[in-house]
Amino acid sequence: ELKVEQNPLFLSMQEGKNYTIYCNYSTTSDRLYWYRQDPGKSLESLFVLLSNGAVKQEGRLMASLDTKARLSTLHITAAVHDLSATYFCAVVKEYGNKLVFGAGTILRVKS
Amino acid sequence: GAVVSQHPSRVICKSGTSVKIECRSLDFQATTMFWYRQFPKQSLMLMATSNEGSKATYEQGVEKDKFLINHASLTLSTLTVTSAHPEDSSFYICSAIRQLYGYTFGSGTRLTVV
Repeated sequence: ELKVEQNPLFLSMQEGKNYTIYCNYSTTSDRLYWYRQDPGKSLESLFVLLSNGAVKQEGRLMASLDTKARLSTLHITAAVHDLSATYFCAVVKEYGNKLVFGAGTILRVKS
Repeated sequence: GAVVSQHPSRVICKSGTSVKIECRSLDFQATTMFWYRQFPKQSLMLMATSNEGSKATYEQGVEKDKFLINHASLTLSTLTVTSAHPEDSSFYICSAIRQLYGYTFGSGTRLTVV
């Protein structure tokens, strides 16, 4: 059974600081996704990572994938208040199409 | 793009009644759609996989007779919560896969059973 572990579950940080969210998964995967969710809203797609060593960046967020370690990271650079949200990683089992989500990381960026 | 429209966005119903939630793919055909449930401050849990023209596949622990899924066309899947109870109150989200676009999510439905 594919399990996805995300940590930390809650992250409170000051504006301007850097931090990393980690996502571990238990079995071989085809694809890994990062999503953002604002309160009361659905999911917004941030990144899809398809291969070992993949790195993608958008603004202050950068995601990477190490398929050998079954680990993905979401790095936040110089956080701003607008990044406050819940971030989920989600993994698709190899040869499958079901997304399995991590528990989510609630990020609060304090001014 | 790949747009999935979900309705209603919010519904309040009385205990014992049924509620239907619609999920439409607006600009593509979706042979497979997914239904998730999310309780407050929790993650998304897959309830079922909806397949056009065939029976839905339910995840373990999800009552198929309570959560009826119909995927009668390539652009529409519906989830009906039958005989709703307060513990069914949750945020329900649908999703569809579109090649090259990955997974697209509906805007979600906030169900409150009173």
